[in-house]
Amino acid sequence: SQTIHQWPATLVQPVGSPLSLECTVEGTSNPNLYWYRQAAGRGLQLLFYSVGIGQISSEVPQNLSASRPQDRQFILSSKKLLLSDSGFYLCAWSPRQAFNEKLFFGSGTQLSVL
Amino acid sequence: QKEVEQNSGPLSVPEGAIASLNCTYSDRVSQSFFWYRQYSGKSPELIMSIYSNGDKEDGRFTAQLNKASQYVSLLIRDSQPSDSATYLCAVRVPSGGSYIPTFGRGTSLIVHP
Repeated sequence: SQTIHQWPATLVQPVGSPLSLECTVEGTSNPNLYWYRQAAGRGLQLLFYSVGIGQISSEVPQNLSASRPQDRQFILSSKKLLLSDSGFYLCAWSPRQAFNEKLFFGSGTQLSVL
Repeated sequence: QKEVEQNSGPLSVPEGAIASLNCTYSDRVSQSFFWYRQYSGKSPELIMSIYSNGDKEDGRFTAQLNKASQYVSLLIRDSQPSDSATYLCAVRVPSGGSYIPTFGRGTSLIVHP
C-alpha cells in the first residue's frame, strides 16, 4: 500500500533562517506531488506541484522554492524565512495522469517563524 | 481567476440535525469535486468525491453536484458531535495541461449536543 511521510511534525525557526521540509512517498511510482500551506483559520493554498523529476510549477510567487531530486521525494526550501511563512505545511500526492483522483496527504508540518 | 468559494461559518447545528455545506467554483471546465474533513492540527481526510451531476450518497453523507450552476454541496444527516470539524471543498481546475486540486477556505461545522 502507498504511504506518504512528511517531517518534521513541528518546527520553530527564527526570522531569516533557512528552511527544509521533506516529503517521501512509498508504494507508488511517478506520482504527482504537491506542497500546500494553510495559514491559521484559512484554507489550503497551493505552493508548488510537480509532475516529474525536476519539473516544478509554482503557483504563488514568494521566498520559497521546491525541488524533486527523486521520483518520490519532494523538498520545500527557503533561504530566509519571513514571519508570514508561518503556517501548516502539507505535502500530498496523487496518481499520475489521473485527473479525477483524490489527494493523499502527509501528516503536516506546523511551522512557527518567530 | 480560478476560485473555490465557501462560507467560512461557523455553521452550528444540534445533534441529530442535517448539516448543509455549500461550495461554488468559478471555472466551468473544472473536473472532479471533493469534500475533505479536517480536524484542528490534522491533515485533511476525504469524505466524498463526485464527478457527475446529481446526488451521491455514502452512509450519512450526500454530495450534490450541479455543473450548470457551478455548485457542489455536502449534506450530513444525523449530525454527531464527532462531525465537528472544518469541511474543505476541493475542485480539480485545469492548469497547464494538468488538473490542479484547488481548495476553498473551508466551513467550520459545530454540532452541539
